[in-house]
Amino acid sequence: EIVLAQSPATLSLSPGERATLSCRASQSVSNYLAWYQQKPGQAPRLLIYDASNRATGIPARFRGSGSGTDFTLTISSLEPEDFAFYYCHQRSNWPLTFGGGTKVEIK
Amino acid sequence: EVQLVESGGGLEQAGRSLILSCTGSGFSFDDYAISWVRQAPGRGLEWVGLIRNKEYRGTTEYAASVRGTFTMSRDYSKSIAYLQINSLKSEDTAVYYCTRSRLALDSPAGWGSFDLWGRGTLVTVSS
Repeated sequence: EIVLAQSPATLSLSPGERATLSCRASQSVSNYLAWYQQKPGQAPRLLIYDASNRATGIPARFRGSGSGTDFTLTISSLEPEDFAFYYCHQRSNWPLTFGGGTKVEIK
Repeated sequence: EVQLVESGGGLEQAGRSLILSCTGSGFSFDDYAISWVRQAPGRGLEWVGLIRNKEYRGTTEYAASVRGTFTMSRDYSKSIAYLQINSLKSEDTAVYYCTRSRLALDSPAGWGSFDLWGRGTLVTVSS
C-alpha cells in the first residue's frame, strides 16, 4: 500500500499569507496525485488533479507541483474561505489512498 | 443538475447489516466508476472501494480493511450504486461519501481523480 504523509498537520497563517502544504508518497506515484479541500460539515472538493492541473472553477491562487514521491500544494495568498482541511490522494495503484490531511487555520 | 446523493445511513446495532445507496443524476452514470470514501468522526478520509463502470462490468476493488465484509453493486437502469456493510462494528461509524471517477488508462489503477462527491450519509453503529 502506498502511504501518503502530509505535513504539517496544522498550518497557522493569516489571510493574505502564502500556504505551502506537502505530501510525500512512500513510493513513486508518477503524477497521479490529487488534492482536495474539505470544510467542516461539507464533502471534499477536488482542487488539483494529476499533480498540477486545477479542477474546473478552482482559482489560480491554488497551484500544485511535484512528481514521483514529493508533491506541494501552494496557496499564493490565503482568502478567508481557504481556511479548511486539505487532503492528497493517489490514484496510481491499488488500494487508492489518502494522506492524513493538513488543517490550514487562521492565526 | 449534476449530482450524487447518498442515502440509507442511520443508527444500527453492531453485528447487523446496512445498505447504503448512491444515486447519480445529470450525467452518464454508466460511464463512471463509483467509489465509496468514509470519514470517521474527527478523522481523515479513507477510501473503501471502487466499482467500475458498465463497460468494465462493474468489477470491484476493496480496501483491505473492509474486504469480505463490504460489498458494492450497481443498478445501471436506475443510476444507483450500493454499498452493503455486513457485521457492523463500532469502527464503521463514519460519514460515507460516494464519488465518481472517469476511466484513465494512463495510470496502473486505471481510474481518474474524484471530481464529484455526494454530501454523505452518516452511519452510527451502537454496541
